[in-house]
Amino acid sequence: QIQLVQSGPEVKKPGESVKISCKASGYTFTQAGMQWLKQAQGKSLKWMGWINTNTGKTTYAADFTGRFVFSLETSASTAYLQITNLKNEDMATYFCASGRDWFAYWGQGTLVTVSS
Amino acid sequence: DIQMTQSPHSLSASLGETVSIECLASEGISNYLAWYQQKPGKSPQLLIYYASSLQDGVPSRFSGSGSGTQYSLKISNMQPEDEGVYYCQQGYKYPPTFGAGTKLELK
Repeated sequence: QIQLVQSGPEVKKPGESVKISCKASGYTFTQAGMQWLKQAQGKSLKWMGWINTNTGKTTYAADFTGRFVFSLETSASTAYLQITNLKNEDMATYFCASGRDWFAYWGQGTLVTVSS
Repeated sequence: DIQMTQSPHSLSASLGETVSIECLASEGISNYLAWYQQKPGKSPQLLIYYASSLQDGVPSRFSGSGSGTQYSLKISNMQPEDEGVYYCQQGYKYPPTFGAGTKLELK
C-alpha cells in the first residue's frame, strides 16, 4: 500500500534551519509529484508548493519563496523540505502529500516548534 | 488566488442525523473540488474528489454535490467516528486553496 512516512518532530531556535524528510513506498516514486503543505495549530491547510519527482523541477507558492527548498533523493524515494532562517511564524505541522488536483495520500505530519 | 468559504464554522449532530457542509468558491472551479476529514493529531483524509466521486474505502454515507461555485458535503446517518474537522479544497487553479474548516461534533 502507498505510504508516506515523515521524519520526527523538531525543536529549533529562531534563525536555525530544519530539514524534513518524506519517504515514499508502495508506488513508483518518480510517477507522482510530491506536494508540501503547512498547518499552523488550529488553522487550515496552506499549500506550499510541489516538486516534480521525475525532473526535480520545483514550484513554490508565493508565501513560500526564498527560505523554503524542496529537494529529492530519488534513489531513496525520499523528498525533503528545508526551511532556513526559521521564524516564529514557521511553527506548524508540515505535511507531504501525493496527488495533483487533490491529495489522496499524506504523510503523518512533522511538527516544527520554533522557540528561543 | 481562489478563495474558499466554508459554512458553518462548527456544528453538532446527533447519532443517525444527516448534516451538510457548504463550500463557496470565489470563482467557478468546474467541479475541481475535494473534501477532507481531519481528526486531532492526524493528517487529512480524502473523502470526495471531483465534487462527487467517493474515494476508495470511504463509507457511502458521505456524498458530495454541487457545481460552478457552490458545493456541499452531506453526511448521512452520523456516526461517532465522523467527528472531526472537514475541509474543502479547490484543485482548479494553482495554488490549491482550502476552506477554513468545519468542526463537526457528536451531540
